[in-house]
Amino acid sequence: GQQLNQSPQSMFIQEGEDVSMNCTSSSIFNTWLWYKQDPGEGPVLLIALYKAGELTSNGRLTAQFGITRKDSFLNISASIPSDVGIYFCAGQHSGYSTLTFGKGTMLLVSP
Amino acid sequence: DTGVSQNPRHKITKRGQNVTFRCDPISEHNRLYWYRQTLGQGPEFLTYFQNEAQLEKSRLLSDRFSAERPKGSFSTLEIQRTEQGDSAMYLCASSATANTGELFFGEGSRLTVL
Repeated sequence: GQQLNQSPQSMFIQEGEDVSMNCTSSSIFNTWLWYKQDPGEGPVLLIALYKAGELTSNGRLTAQFGITRKDSFLNISASIPSDVGIYFCAGQHSGYSTLTFGKGTMLLVSP
Repeated sequence: DTGVSQNPRHKITKRGQNVTFRCDPISEHNRLYWYRQTLGQGPEFLTYFQNEAQLEKSRLLSDRFSAERPKGSFSTLEIQRTEQGDSAMYLCASSATANTGELFFGEGSRLTVL
C-alpha cells in the first residue's frame, strides 16, 4: 500500500541537540499527525495538524503542515534521553478515517 | 488503566493454526481500528469499525482474516491457517471523533508463526 517518505531513517545525536525530521507524500493530505513509538509499545500521538501552513507546538516539539499539503516536518528542541524512540508521520485524506504511516525515523540520544 | 487493552501480548504458533486476538477500546470510543506492523515499517491499516459495523477493510485483509465487534465494544481479530508471513505486531486503536486521525493505540499483540 501507499506509504509516506520519511527521512532521515535514523539519527544518533547528543543530549541537548535539536532534531529535525520530515515526511513527504505524492498525494495531498487533509490531516498530518506525528506519533512516537517506544520498543514493544503502540504508537502515541504527539501532534495533530489540520490546516495547510499550520505550525503547532507541544512542549519541546514543533510540527508544521506543509503549504502544499504534501509534506510535514517535526522538530525536537534540546533533546533528552527519553526522546529515544521511533517517530512516525501519518497522513489522512479528506473524508477517510484511516491513516497512512511513514516508515519511521529512529532517534537515539546519547547522554 | 482506561487505555486500549490488547491480549494476548505475545503469541507463538505453528503454521496452519488459527489464532485470535482481542481488543478492548477506551469505553466511550465508538471507532475501533486494526493495524498490522512488521519490523522496520509503519503500521498498515487492516480494518475499522464504527460501533458494531465494519465500515472498511484493506486489501491486506485476506479471506483468512476476520474481524468482529459484536456489541460495539470489544473486538476480535482471527487469523485462520496462519502463514509465516502473518508474523507481525497487530495493533488495535480507538477514537472518539470521526476523521481527525487522533487514534489511541494499544500495546499490540505480537504474533510469531513458526
